[in-house]
Amino acid sequence: DTEVTQTPKHLVMGMTNKKSLKCEQHMGHRAMYWYKQKAKKPPELMFVYSYEKLSINESVPSRFSPECPNSSLLNLHLHALQPEDSALYLCASSQEWNTGELFFGEGSRLTVL
Amino acid sequence: AQSVTQLDSQVPVFEEAPVELRCNYSSSVSVYLFWYVQYPNQGLQLLLKYLSGSTLVESINGFEAEFNKSQTSFHLRKPSVHISDTAEYFCAVTLPFSGGYNKLIFGAGTRLAVHP
Repeated sequence: DTEVTQTPKHLVMGMTNKKSLKCEQHMGHRAMYWYKQKAKKPPELMFVYSYEKLSINESVPSRFSPECPNSSLLNLHLHALQPEDSALYLCASSQEWNTGELFFGEGSRLTVL
Repeated sequence: AQSVTQLDSQVPVFEEAPVELRCNYSSSVSVYLFWYVQYPNQGLQLLLKYLSGSTLVESINGFEAEFNKSQTSFHLRKPSVHISDTAEYFCAVTLPFSGGYNKLIFGAGTRLAVHP
């Protein structure tokens, strides 16, 4: 199994809603990542988990809250988002952090109304 | 500042023609280099990587890239493209940052459009 699975594929939410994005991998990778990608732009790193501990937070607003329940799962909890948060959210994993060999999921396309 | 520059935002090319997508980076230390491809409505896939050793690296679908340390470049080439190669291509570099970790820096991307 060499896949990173993300759900849902599409999400529409209002600014007062609370929702979550989910990511799962079964490759035994010890590092997991959240990226945000706006249209026609490269992915921007948001968070890095290594061995289930938050290692990097790229100064992301607190309305985004990551969670790593175990080594295979990564969640991104969303609350009180703004329309400018609309984007493709990509989850990725790697054998260890500090490598550039990332496996990406297909992404969750988020629209904030 | 450490950065990655993809010199062309769009590259149109006819099917079966050769193509080169250019990538330059700036760093004073050793780096790892990557090309990722993103097909429409999908996530990114690793296309090829340079970590050490031979400066010419190849992918399974006919792409190759050459690491040139003196010119700080990692250009991507394919001798004959297919319609199915139409995608966004991102050059990426792993650079050391503070805190003892390596950060993956993406270039702005090059849109390869293959026409029949």
